[in-house]
This record gives sequence, structure tokens and C-alpha cells, in this order.
Amino acid sequence: TQLLEQSPQFLSIQEGENLTVYCNSSSVFSSLQWYRQEPGEGPVLLVTVVTGGEVKKLKRLTFQFGDARKDSSLHITAAQPGDTGLYLCAGAHTNAGKSTFGDGTTLTVKP
Amino acid sequence: GAVVSQHPSRVICKSGTSVKIECRSLDFQATTMFWYRQFPKQSLMLMATSNEGSKATYEQGVEKDKFLINHASLTLSTLTVTSAHPEDSSFYICSARDPSGGAGETQYFGPGTRLLVL
Repeated sequence: TQLLEQSPQFLSIQEGENLTVYCNSSSVFSSLQWYRQEPGEGPVLLVTVVTGGEVKKLKRLTFQFGDARKDSSLHITAAQPGDTGLYLCAGAHTNAGKSTFGDGTTLTVKP
Repeated sequence: GAVVSQHPSRVICKSGTSVKIECRSLDFQATTMFWYRQFPKQSLMLMATSNEGSKATYEQGVEKDKFLINHASLTLSTLTVTSAHPEDSSFYICSARDPSGGAGETQYFGPGTRLLVL
């Protein structure tokens, strides 16, 4: 069974603070996705990383894929209340079926 | 980006009835779709993988006779909860893989269906 450990599980911070969410696995993935989900809605894709060592930026969000393609991080700079939500990472394999999802990080940004 | 729709968004039904949920890929063809169940403040729990033109692959512990999946076309998969009971109340989400994208294994999610069984 492939596991994708995501940490922290819960995070509550003040507006303006920085934070990092981690996803770690012993498995190598061909790609990794990060999603954000708000209550009562489906997860929305934020980014897909494919290349080991790859760094992608989406405004205040920075995503990094580990060199060995086993781990990834999401860093948010100057968090805002609108960043509140459940963040999910998912590891995938080329031509494989299902992806492996982390347990999620519930982020609350207080104004 | 790829768009996946789900219908209905919310459904309330009586115990013992069956409920059908539709998942559609709107701007791409999806040979593979997935059905998830999600409990409050938890991650996604994969129920089954739906393959166009073939039988679905169910995860361990998921009753295939209770959760019927049909993937009759490249843009539509349906999940039917048969003889629903209150314990089936949950948030059901589908996703689809867009094979034409650069990272063909990326899943795009529908908006989810909130099922409440009375």
C-alpha cells in the first residue's frame, strides 16, 4: 500500500503569517497534485508538479517537488482568510489507475 | 482547465430508495473516472474506479451491489446508491482524468453531491 503522509493535519494562523504544508512518501510518483477544497465543494486543482526539484509559484503559493519525486511542499506567504480550506496532495503514476491522497491539511487563517 | 460537473448537488431521500448521481466531463473525454466519499473534515475515501466500457474496480470494503457504477460513455459515469440507508448519508465526489493534458494522471473533481437519507 502506498502512503502519502501529509502534515500538519490542522493549522490555525493569523492573517499575514507564513506556513508550509508537507507531503512525504517512500514511493516515487510520476507527478503530484495539490488541491484546495472549501466546505461543500469539490477539490480544486492548484498545481501539478512533474519534474524532480521543480518549483512552481501561484501568486503567494509556492510548490516544490522533491528531487527524488517522493515528497512535496506547499508554502503560503502572508496568508489571508481566503486561503482557509482543506489542502490535499495526491501522488500519481503514469498509466496507473488511482492516485494516492494525503489525509489533508485543514488551514484556518484568522483575520 | 478541464471541467467536471456533477448532478444533483444535493439530494434528500427516504430510506430504502435508490439515488443516482451523474458525473460528466464537459470539455474532455475521460476513459477513467473515480468516485469518492468524504466525511466531514476528512480526506477523500476512494470507493471505486470507473472505466469506460468495462466493469468498475471497487476498493476493499465497498459493496459493489450497493454502489452501482456505470460508465457507458467517455463523458458520463453514474453512481447509484441502491436501497439507501441513513448511514449512506455523505458527500460523494467524482473525478475524471484528462488524458490529453501534459500530466495525464491529473484528476479533476466535480463539485460533489450531498446525500441525506432520512
